Amino acid sequence: GIQVEQSPPDLILQEGANSTLRCNFSDSVNNLQWFHQNPWGQLINLFYIPSGTKQNGRLSATTVATERYSLLYISSSQTTDSGVYFCAVEARTGGGADGLTFGKGTHLIIQP
Amino acid sequence: DTAVSQTPKYLVTQMGNDKSIKCEQNLGHDTMYWYKQDSKKFLKIMFSYNNKELIINETVPNRFSPKSPDKAHLNLHINSLELGDSAVYFCASSQEGLRAYNSPLHFGNGTRLTVT
Repeated sequence: GIQVEQSPPDLILQEGANSTLRCNFSDSVNNLQWFHQNPWGQLINLFYIPSGTKQNGRLSATTVATERYSLLYISSSQTTDSGVYFCAVEARTGGGADGLTFGKGTHLIIQP
Repeated sequence: DTAVSQTPKYLVTQMGNDKSIKCEQNLGHDTMYWYKQDSKKFLKIMFSYNNKELIINETVPNRFSPKSPDKAHLNLHINSLELGDSAVYFCASSQEGLRAYNSPLHFGNGTRLTVT
């Protein structure tokens, strides 16, 4: 099956800092999404981004499908950004409802 | 206004028992999923249902069985619970099995299952 690797696995930053999280995947994808799991365990969908660039407030994401990677940018970090960020993909060769394959996540801690 | 709701939030039970987790979505989506998150936070899909038909079934023990009475509900039944079943189970839904344009996956808040 498709492999999804995220880096770095852990990241500790001061409030106000910027960060870039990376997701590499091993095959062509139909679907790529970024999620934030907050300290209470809730999984929030951040972006649906199989290709191109999107922005939502302080967060933006870019997927270069031909090179099989995606980047999540967080600017002016706040303590509420802490949690685990997951990248998840669906392989192009997959069926219509195979679900998403998740990476192991980047654990982000924003210190005040 | 909860989009995907699952109950209970916490479930503590003994080995050998049978338990169920309920899930409902009010988004009008036609595909629902169950994911398992282990102690290392790794998320893995268990099942998906599309229009009441099981689409995929990953290599999970047959003690786990999804049941979908209608498009808005996908319940998870677990028989003969084992210690290794302890995890957080997430229900999710999407439109057209993720193949529709801009079809994000929406998760419920999870059920933390502890088997003692």
